Amino acid sequence: AQKVTQAQTEISVVEKEDVTLDCVYETRDTTYYLFWYKQPPSGELVFLIRRNSFDEQNEISGRYSWNFQKSTSSFNFTITASQVVDSAVYFCALRPPTMNRDDKIIFGKGTRLHILP
Amino acid sequence: KAGVTQTPRYLIKTRGQQVTLSCSPISGHRSVSWYQQTPGQGLQFLFEYFSETQRNKGNFPGRFSGRQFSNSRSEMNVSTLELGDSALYLCASSLAAVGISYEQYFGPGTRLTVT
Repeated sequence: AQKVTQAQTEISVVEKEDVTLDCVYETRDTTYYLFWYKQPPSGELVFLIRRNSFDEQNEISGRYSWNFQKSTSSFNFTITASQVVDSAVYFCALRPPTMNRDDKIIFGKGTRLHILP
Repeated sequence: KAGVTQTPRYLIKTRGQQVTLSCSPISGHRSVSWYQQTPGQGLQFLFEYFSETQRNKGNFPGRFSGRQFSNSRSEMNVSTLELGDSALYLCASSLAAVGISYEQYFGPGTRLTVT
């Protein structure tokens, strides 16, 4: 069975601190996609990154970086020099690449991040 | 380019009634997916449509149904509403249902309250 675990329910850090959001997944598929989404208070999910299971290169986008470790089934997300605008709920998700009728995207429960001024 | 729009934004219904929610994807996007978000269950996939065909379905009862029109607009319907159907219903669109371009763009959601 597929599963995504975000063990951190809620995190609070002071502005300018670095923060890492953990994501651990379970799947029997050899190929799959991993995602991170941000949900600000407005409610709209914002796509942050998509990672193919064959690509284990870490990625950096400005203050955001992602560490994909296939050996530990983890896809962690780090925000460097956090800002108040980063306050949101962050979701990690897993999806198989096929379109079989039983395949679907699975979301973690989310991590609520508070950046304190 | 206009984003994903969902109507209505807020809705209050009574148990036993039915409701229809609408989603207009980004122009040119052919895939529309629906999700239910509740505090208890989190974000759960409902169904996905591509070129008017349901390609994928989540683990929801038959009271939840949907369709997609030739212009890619989609509707979802919930019949015989239950209190537990109170949720934020999110719609997302993407260019394609499979392949490299699976970046989904989400709408603001419809907040459904069942009393």
